[in-house]
Amino acid sequence: DVKVTQSSRYLVKRTGEKVFLECVQDMDHENMFWYRQDPGLGLRLIYFSYDVKMKEKGDIPEGYSVSREKKERFSLILESASTNQTSMYLCASGGVSTQETQYFGPGTRLLVL
Amino acid sequence: AQTVTQSQPEMSVQEAETVTLSCTYDTSESDYYLFWYKQPPSRQMILVIRQEAYKQQNATENRFSVNFQKAAKSFSLKISDSQLGDAAMYFCAYRSPWDGQNFVFGPGTRLSVLP
Repeated sequence: DVKVTQSSRYLVKRTGEKVFLECVQDMDHENMFWYRQDPGLGLRLIYFSYDVKMKEKGDIPEGYSVSREKKERFSLILESASTNQTSMYLCASGGVSTQETQYFGPGTRLLVL
Repeated sequence: AQTVTQSQPEMSVQEAETVTLSCTYDTSESDYYLFWYKQPPSRQMILVIRQEAYKQQNATENRFSVNFQKAAKSFSLKISDSQLGDAAMYFCAYRSPWDGQNFVFGPGTRLSVLP
């Protein structure tokens, strides 16, 4: 079974703090994704990566950066957390073929105070 | 850019009954994939069913089936013999082979199953 893990299920941070969310997949997938999930808005893509050290902005990249130094690991960084970044963050990985699904991690619920 | 709409924020169904969740999308492409994902409370999102746009036959997976109407850009999910474990958020998603192979998700439908 494909496994996608995220470093934390719940996280509480203060405004201005630097926040790291890590995601690891064990299926040698080329593509990895970071989404933000908010009620009524579905999943919105923050960033995705199609190879090591390669990244592309998604729909809502402002206030976020990412790092992919190894194929299996994709990190999301909030340089200076703000209250409007309180949300559920989902990581996913998948292959390059269009028919392939994405495999999701359990999510990190982040609260910024 | 493609968009995906789910017009029913919440639905409910009686156990053992059938329910249909709606999804419409907007695209100018002819080849793409459509997916339904299920996110149970506090659990990981998983794939329910997928459909390739070129296939006219509707996909089925056990109690889950889709009604894919390409001309109408509609992709509804039918759940037959609903079970308590079907209670979840359901997301419809579109994947283009061209646009960075990204997925575009709808806002979701929360399904409750009543005993």
